Amino acid sequence: DQQVKQNSPSLSVQEGRISILNCDYTNSMFDYFLWYKKYPAEGPTFLISISSIKDKNEDGRFTVFLNKSAKHLSLHIVPSQPGDSAVYFCAASGNSGGSNYKLTFGKGTLLTVNP
Amino acid sequence: DTGVSQDPRHKITKRGQNVTFRCDPISEHNRLYWYRQTLGQGPEFLTYFQNEAQLEKSRLLSDRFSAERPKGSFSTLEIQRTEQGDSAMYLCASSLGRVVKLFFGSGTQLSVL
Repeated sequence: DQQVKQNSPSLSVQEGRISILNCDYTNSMFDYFLWYKKYPAEGPTFLISISSIKDKNEDGRFTVFLNKSAKHLSLHIVPSQPGDSAVYFCAASGNSGGSNYKLTFGKGTLLTVNP
Repeated sequence: DTGVSQDPRHKITKRGQNVTFRCDPISEHNRLYWYRQTLGQGPEFLTYFQNEAQLEKSRLLSDRFSAERPKGSFSTLEIQRTEQGDSAMYLCASSLGRVVKLFFGSGTQLSVL
């Protein structure tokens, strides 16, 4: 049962344009959401997060939007740079099954930014 | 600033052998997590510790797997009688307090032949 879904395995954009990565979740108990970036042969690195009490959080070129009613969040990267090419994971946590302290990850989206 | 450290980075073993991985978390972090990642999948939760107490284990963690965190510092993950299906990247992460922002190590890539 995939509680966090990233339905696009890959995305390709031109340098300078906007990248939009999408994520859906099914568990209504999730109340904190994170995006991680992963390069090959490295562990995931934290990018940006959002609490369920907000609908938007911005950090430089990265903005995360949360639509609770649709159980959907998205990560916007603008402008996209070649160094942003990586796998992006959406993750969620909340009082699901009694644990507030673990993250449930999606399968990831491979972003390729072309020069 | 020392991040999460994992050792070894790569491990190749034969089916049926035992393997042990080590993780050193960020020093002041009280929570330590083990995740497993296979090709095309996101990290899957295995277990986590708060200080030295193992508070949750996934059903993915069969009885061939055991994790310890003596004295609430470093942690070890042992896999006994390895199977080819155990081949994966084993990721360790740590966090501090009530914050669910996990800091990951570079992982140990296990290949079971």
